[in-house]
Amino acid sequence: QSALTQPASVSGSPGQSITISCTGTSSDVGGYNYVSWYQQHPGKAPKLMISDVSSRPSGVSNRFSGSKSGNTASLTISGLQAEDEADYYCGSYSSSGSPHVLFGGGTKVTVL
Amino acid sequence: QVRLQESGPGLVKPSETLSLTCAVAGYSFSSDYNWGWIRQPPGKGLEWIGIVSHAGGTAYNPSLQGRVSISIDTSKNHFSLQLTSVTAADTAVYFCARDREGGVCDPWGQGTLVTVSS
Repeated sequence: QSALTQPASVSGSPGQSITISCTGTSSDVGGYNYVSWYQQHPGKAPKLMISDVSSRPSGVSNRFSGSKSGNTASLTISGLQAEDEADYYCGSYSSSGSPHVLFGGGTKVTVL
Repeated sequence: QVRLQESGPGLVKPSETLSLTCAVAGYSFSSDYNWGWIRQPPGKGLEWIGIVSHAGGTAYNPSLQGRVSISIDTSKNHFSLQLTSVTAADTAVYFCARDREGGVCDPWGQGTLVTVSS
């Protein structure tokens, strides 16, 4: 099965907003409200930032928000800060074949 | 709060079996969550391996089907991963995580690097 499609890199200046896209199919992203986003700093474990397309876990800054349209989900980071520089991965439940989870290839966010 | 910690050999020979355990602290296994494994080859992205429920039911990545097995021991508060016939392509950091409906992984263990080499 193919990974979900994310841009390799996105950059922005402090204070700006950026958006990362995550494109799948009707068997995963488009078919269910089960899209998650994870932040990973170098050498660290991923951290859940958004679940169920747009739900923010307790403790995650409200500068992070998620949405979905058709087969594409998006993560928006507003008021970009230096600490937001990291890799971001989307994940989605998939019903193609046996039920499983797909991840995107990851997006490197650079704060200029 | 719940904490997860992976353990196991850091070096496995080609064609042998990779075995890892994830110890869970601060939480008792219940029907509310599944428990999963995810891996990340050096410099690459995440790959979902599979999950086990508190009752022992499993679901696996179709690309690893036939080589992977995940089991749970609720009496010891841990769950385990076995991957057979490993090759260099299985070299990765292996993470364990709590998994809930929809494949949401949270929290994650710190990860353990497993290298496949003779």
